[in-house]
Amino acid sequence: DAGVIQSPRHEVTEMGQEVTLRCKPISGHNSLFWYRQTMMRGLELLIYFNNNVPIDDSGMPEDRFSAKMPNASFSTLKIQPSEPRDSAVYFCASSLYRRTPGFEQPQHFGDGTRLSIL
Amino acid sequence: AQTVTQSQPEMSVQEAETVTLSCTYDTSESNYYLFWYKQPPSRQMILVIRQEAYKQQNATENRFSVNFQKAAKSFSLKISDSQLGDTAMYFCALVYVRGFQKLVFGTGTRLLVSP
Repeated sequence: DAGVIQSPRHEVTEMGQEVTLRCKPISGHNSLFWYRQTMMRGLELLIYFNNNVPIDDSGMPEDRFSAKMPNASFSTLKIQPSEPRDSAVYFCASSLYRRTPGFEQPQHFGDGTRLSIL
Repeated sequence: AQTVTQSQPEMSVQEAETVTLSCTYDTSESNYYLFWYKQPPSRQMILVIRQEAYKQQNATENRFSVNFQKAAKSFSLKISDSQLGDTAMYFCALVYVRGFQKLVFGTGTRLLVSP
């Protein structure tokens, strides 16, 4: 089975430009997560979706960040306008969630997008 | 609030030896899961092992095993017969059974396996 697929793998762009990161979760998974990883702050959860609905976006740093999940097989994380401090590795992860005690599936991560804002 | 603490920023071990990575956590929940993820230089996040809090038996996966002490809120990872490919960052993480799966990660331990 294909894992979580993220694109692009690397992105270099100039400050002020719009950046769009893409994610295709594992087929059949109903939860999707966007994380940001930096040396200073480690792994931070930005937002997560369940059944395409955003459940918690409290980790989104500011209004310049937005995320969408138009269907079960695709999600985007957009930064507009981008700033140098947004440089980080962005991970997408997916899992299967069921509201059944004792049932849990771990999150599977994509390979990440390394974003560099000049 | 729940927290996960990894107090060892870096560790070194020689090939074929055993190493233990520490993790402590704080939570008021009684039912949760704990994980160890590995992040090699390729930056993939790879699930190494998981433990259900309601199970007393420690999880094992080949050369990887955990020492889960629920009362002490401790969850250490033991790597036996270390291999060069084990060189990576290791993250401890916690998620509740109740509610959606919001993983809380520790800050990571960088493990270097040398020949």
